Amino acid sequence: GENVEQHPSTLSVQEGDSAVIKCTYSDSASNYFPWYKQELGKRPQLIIDIRSNVGEKKDQRIAVTLNKTAKHFSLHITETQPEDSAVYFCAAIGGGADGLTFGKGTHLIIQP
Amino acid sequence: DVKVTQSSRYLVKRTGEKVFLECVQDMDHENMFWYRQDPGLGLRLIYFSYDVKMKEKGDIPEGYSVSREKKERFSLILESASTNQTSMYLCASSLSREGDEQYFGPGTRLTVT
Repeated sequence: GENVEQHPSTLSVQEGDSAVIKCTYSDSASNYFPWYKQELGKRPQLIIDIRSNVGEKKDQRIAVTLNKTAKHFSLHITETQPEDSAVYFCAAIGGGADGLTFGKGTHLIIQP
Repeated sequence: DVKVTQSSRYLVKRTGEKVFLECVQDMDHENMFWYRQDPGLGLRLIYFSYDVKMKEKGDIPEGYSVSREKKERFSLILESASTNQTSMYLCASSLSREGDEQYFGPGTRLTVT
């Protein structure tokens, strides 16, 4: 099955700086890579996703890049704000479409 | 607006009890999922279902079973609860099978004593 590794587990950045979270996956047939944000005490919510036929996708301050050859994808948040503080999860859906496999999460802390 | 609800926010059960966790979605989604979330381990898929009466094992199905008798409802069953099943349980639903946004419920914090 699919295996997703996520780094770092904790990331602290100054407000206004950029944050980058990286994930690798194992199944070369994986074709869908979403990112979820979970604020404290709340449910995970999708913030951006990318499919394997695209190398990069942007949505305002958030972007995701995908390198299929290296089997890794990254989340980029620019001009970080206090409301960006949360746990972020990457995920991948394997070639067998057997459901999402999630990374273990990154706790992003925005320092004022 | 998709709404996924779970029967309880907090539940306390004793070791050996049979536990039912219920999930209901109101968007006519085909696919439903059960995850457990533990600190440092992320979300792990227990079971999922792509259709009524259909179920498939996820990554950690041991000690759990599921039931999907109606499209909108997906139940997770702990046949004999154990302390290592103390966790946050999250239900989710999605429209398509091939990779689509999953909408999560609020979660059930289960404590087994």
